[in-house]
Amino acid sequence: SAVISQKPSRDICQRGTSLTIQCQVDSQVTMMFWYRQQPGQSLTLIATANQGSEATYESGFVIDKFPISRPNLTFSTLTVSNMSPEDSSIYLCSDPTRETQYFGPGTRLLVL
Amino acid sequence: GQNIDQPTEMTATEGAIVQINCTYQTSGFNGLFWYQQHAGEAPTFLSYNVLDGLEEKGRFSSFLSRSKGYSYLLLKELQMKDSASYLCAVTQSSGGSYIPTFGRGTSLIVHP
Repeated sequence: SAVISQKPSRDICQRGTSLTIQCQVDSQVTMMFWYRQQPGQSLTLIATANQGSEATYESGFVIDKFPISRPNLTFSTLTVSNMSPEDSSIYLCSDPTRETQYFGPGTRLLVL
Repeated sequence: GQNIDQPTEMTATEGAIVQINCTYQTSGFNGLFWYQQHAGEAPTFLSYNVLDGLEEKGRFSSFLSRSKGYSYLLLKELQMKDSASYLCAVTQSSGGSYIPTFGRGTSLIVHP
């Protein structure tokens, strides 16, 4: 089974600041997904992180707000920029190339 | 687009059996996931159905009917630790990855 780790596990941030979340997978994968789960809601796909090309964003999410890096096949970062309280969520990365769709442990973000 | 519907909340008694339904409308259907998510934690994979029929894994079973756009998760011999949110997610195949869309989740409360 895949091992996916994320850092930080949680953070409390002030509005207007930015936070970069890291995701590490224990094997090489072509694509990685980034999700957001707002309080009491289900998971919403933010974007697909592609190695060697720009990320593909879902409707309602833009690169300026959620820039993504994918420097190699085992690592990706998601930045939440210019944060507001509405960005308070759990952010999860996942490995979509396996049917079991493994998730990282998540990053719990609270914006004050 | 995709439309996924599952009940918001269910309650059941320890030792009993509960069935959580999920209906969906989607184009390009590939398969259907069930995940378990305890409060404050990342989702944990339970099952992935591609073909019609019932798949059993210990106390948990999952059923799929592609023609009816219907699935259910069956939990037997309920335990208190089964209290969690259960997420149904439908996938569309794209370039070797499985792009899931999640339902809002069913919160299951197991009481003594």
